[in-house]
Amino acid sequence: AQKVTQAQTEISVVEKEDVTLDCVYETRDTTYYLFWYKQPPSGELVFLIRRNSFDEQNEISGRYSWNFQKSTSSFNFTITASQVVDSAVYFCALSEEYNFNKFYFGSGTKLNVKP
Amino acid sequence: DSGVTQTPKHLITATGQRVTLRCSPRSGDLSVYWYQQSLDQGLQFLIQYYNGEERAKGNILERFSAQQFPDLHSELNLSSLELGDSALYFCASSVDKQETQYFGPGTRLLVL
Repeated sequence: AQKVTQAQTEISVVEKEDVTLDCVYETRDTTYYLFWYKQPPSGELVFLIRRNSFDEQNEISGRYSWNFQKSTSSFNFTITASQVVDSAVYFCALSEEYNFNKFYFGSGTKLNVKP
Repeated sequence: DSGVTQTPKHLITATGQRVTLRCSPRSGDLSVYWYQQSLDQGLQFLIQYYNGEERAKGNILERFSAQQFPDLHSELNLSSLELGDSALYFCASSVDKQETQYFGPGTRLLVL
């Protein structure tokens, strides 16, 4: 079974629309970390956020916000007022207590923001 | 710029050959991780080194090996290359095991 599921393979929006990228994870550990990374067309992976399992407070950073809900094992990412530069593949990842070194990545969601 | 450097950026080689990918972690980071990103397998964790020692192993083939040197740079060796080894290979680094991993720009390997 996939530890991290990103069910949305590809999403297309028009600039200035809000968009939410879904991430559902699976773990038996009580201590774990969740991450979001962005991979623009240039190919590099850019770190966006890290959240530990004991911190369910939602986080906002500019136009980005994250909603962590342990009850539904989800860590969703919302971009408000999307811009063309947001076009990228976004990955959600999980690392577990028994081996924090090992990251499990979702399959990624490709976001296309059209002008 | 994450501070992680990888060389070369692109590599084209033939089946059966051997190549070495190099990674320099961010200053101060002791952990180095290697990942393979291919179209069909997505992002796969290969192996991790911490301060010169192997710490964790993922889906790394026996034809692949890695090491971390005293200056903390790391090399990933890929041998007996097959067409299916064509992929983007990322290196990442972190301060320690519980810290965020910062990724390098990747090495794009094409096996013909």
